[in-house]
Amino acid sequence: KQEVTQIPAALSVPEGENLVLNCSFTDSAIYNLQWFRQDPGKGLTSLLLIQSSQREQTSGRLNASLDKSSGRSTLYIAASQPGDSATYLCAVSSNDYKLSFGAGTTVTVRA
Amino acid sequence: EAGVAQSPRYKIIEKRQSVAFWCNPISGHATLYWYQQILGQGPKLLIQFQNNGVVDDSQLPKDRFSAERLKGVDSTLKIQPAKLEDSAVYLCASSLYWSGNYNEQFFGPGTRLTVL
Repeated sequence: KQEVTQIPAALSVPEGENLVLNCSFTDSAIYNLQWFRQDPGKGLTSLLLIQSSQREQTSGRLNASLDKSSGRSTLYIAASQPGDSATYLCAVSSNDYKLSFGAGTTVTVRA
Repeated sequence: EAGVAQSPRYKIIEKRQSVAFWCNPISGHATLYWYQQILGQGPKLLIQFQNNGVVDDSQLPKDRFSAERLKGVDSTLKIQPAKLEDSAVYLCASSLYWSGNYNEQFFGPGTRLTVL
């Protein structure tokens, strides 16, 4: 069974600092990996999807890397802003195409 | 393009009562998912539909939870009777298909259920 872990569980940084969020998974036989953002009381917004054959994906200030062999992904958010405050969830799609989620990292960006 | 719609957004009930949630997926999406997200945890898949057939309901507590997707479009999830531990956010998601390059899932805003 795929286990997904996100460390740290919570993170507080001053505005302008770069954010580094970590995700690890136990089974490297994955199809793809997604990073989601969740605001309080809201649903999930997809940020980036990395196929298993890719090493990274970029969208604006966001960059996600994938090291399938070591079972790790990292989400980088450059020059953080208060509007980046949210919970960030990592989800792995195994070869049965089902998503296994981590518990998330709650980010607070202080103005 | 309209996103995944869910209603109600919030629901408060007492234990042993029943409750139903509704989901309308993105137009043309064949696959529909219901997830349960308990506070502080990641979402857990309850049931997955492909058109109006069930693909996976292995984690659905079938003694109290039921779901249907009539005509392969809208879906309802029902809990009867509710327990305190059912308090959670219920998320609906849809994708074009369940496998291959078309399995990216798009989520609705969720329904927050509180059982007292």
